[in-house]
Amino acid sequence: ETGVTQSPTHLIKTRGQQVTLRCSSQSGHNTVSWYQQALGQGPQFIFQYYREEENGRGNFPPRFSGLQFPNYSSELNVNALELDDSALYLCASSNINEQFFGPGTRLTVL
Amino acid sequence: SQQGEEDPQALSIQEGENATMNCSYKTSINNLQWYRQNSGRGLVHLILIRSNEREKHSGRLRVTLDTSKKSSSLLITASRAADTASYFCATDAGTSGTYKYIFGTGTRLKVLA
Repeated sequence: ETGVTQSPTHLIKTRGQQVTLRCSSQSGHNTVSWYQQALGQGPQFIFQYYREEENGRGNFPPRFSGLQFPNYSSELNVNALELDDSALYLCASSNINEQFFGPGTRLTVL
Repeated sequence: SQQGEEDPQALSIQEGENATMNCSYKTSINNLQWYRQNSGRGLVHLILIRSNEREKHSGRLRVTLDTSKKSSSLLITASRAADTASYFCATDAGTSGTYKYIFGTGTRLKVLA
C-alpha cells in the first residue's frame, strides 16, 4: 500500500455545485498530479503541481483548479459541476524517481 | 484524448494460461509504464520500460517495446485469479521524470479459476 491518501472516498453532488477533493502525498514527494477517469476509460491528466506551482495542464476547462500546500498535499476544485464530471478522480504523488497513485475519489454528479 | 489504445479491450482466460495485452501510442516517448487497476480503484505500478530498452522482466511479467511501431506488449505468464483487473499502458512524452502520463483505454482481464 502507498502512503498517498485521498478524501473523501465517495461524493455525490448536483449539477452547478462546487466540489473540493483532497490528496495527501507520499513522504518525500514534492509533486502531485491529478487525473480524471470516466467509467470504462483510462485516466486523463488534469494538471500537476510542483512545489506549490502549477506545472502543466491537460485539456480541462478553467473551472478545474488546484492548489498545493507547503506540506505538498493538494486540492482539486471543480466549479459549476456538470453531469460529465462524474468520474473517479485520482491523485498521484511523485519525486524524480517514483510515482504512486492514491485510491481515488468517486464523484457522482446528479 | 487518449494517447493510445490497448488491445484487446477485454480478455478472458483460464487460470494457468498466459495473457498478452498490446498497447499502441501516437507520439515519441521517454518511457512507457504498465499499471493494474482493481475494481475502479487506485492504479498499481507494474513495470517501466524506457525508450532505449526493448524488453523487461519482473516476476511473471514481460514487457516489450517497439518504438518503430509505437507499440508495447505486456505478457502475464501462468495467470492467477488474482490477476483479474484492468491493465493500462501510460506514456511519458514530456521531460523525463515529470510524470505527466497519457493513458491508454485499458484491457479488462478476467482469469477464471
